[in-house]
Amino acid sequence: GAVVSQHPSRVICKSGTSVKIECRSLDFQATTMFWYRQFPKQSLMLMATSNEGSKATYEQGVEKDKFLINHASLTLSTLTVTSAHPEDSSFYICSAAGDRGSTDTQYFGPGTRLTVL
Amino acid sequence: QKEVEQNSGPLSVPEGAIASLNCTYSDRGSQSFFWYRQYSGKSPELIMSIYSNGDKEDGRFTAQLNKASQYVSLLIRDSQPSDSATYLCAVNEGRDDKIIFGKGTRLHILP
Repeated sequence: GAVVSQHPSRVICKSGTSVKIECRSLDFQATTMFWYRQFPKQSLMLMATSNEGSKATYEQGVEKDKFLINHASLTLSTLTVTSAHPEDSSFYICSAAGDRGSTDTQYFGPGTRLTVL
Repeated sequence: QKEVEQNSGPLSVPEGAIASLNCTYSDRGSQSFFWYRQYSGKSPELIMSIYSNGDKEDGRFTAQLNKASQYVSLLIRDSQPSDSATYLCAVNEGRDDKIIFGKGTRLHILP
């Protein structure tokens, strides 16, 4: 149980385009979803926390106008990287917490590898 | 600033031996503690969660928590080459669902 999916798993785009990443909890309701970014050989960096139906809370240094997060339902959150640039190339991972396990147990999606040319 | 500290490693352990991974945290109000495993190029996978002082066993894995010392550890018995990965310690902030991750310990099981 506690399956989280992400789509797409890999995306390559040109500089200046926008990319949308979907995160879905498949077998539980996720009241909270988290978006992380991980550069090669670096630790996970939390970008933002989103609660269903509310605006996302962004971590310091993360531009909310560049990384648009929507958490429209208890099973779906999206991250849109707007006007992507090569420095945005990274591994983006979502996680979900909700009615599976304790409310703060996070289950991770498989991640999306973004390459901006 | 709340922190979760782990030795980055690499920690090399012979196959069949016990691997011991350690983690300390700064927030005395933390109530939930997690160990995740992350293979290279993959996302983290939850191994265990622990909430009370003492030991919690699940198969070859044992998590140990000592809140007085602000210390949590993970023991892996009968280590296998497939256990080679980065192990992330995570601790909740004590007031909401956000958890703080350590930077991870790289474990290498020597065949």
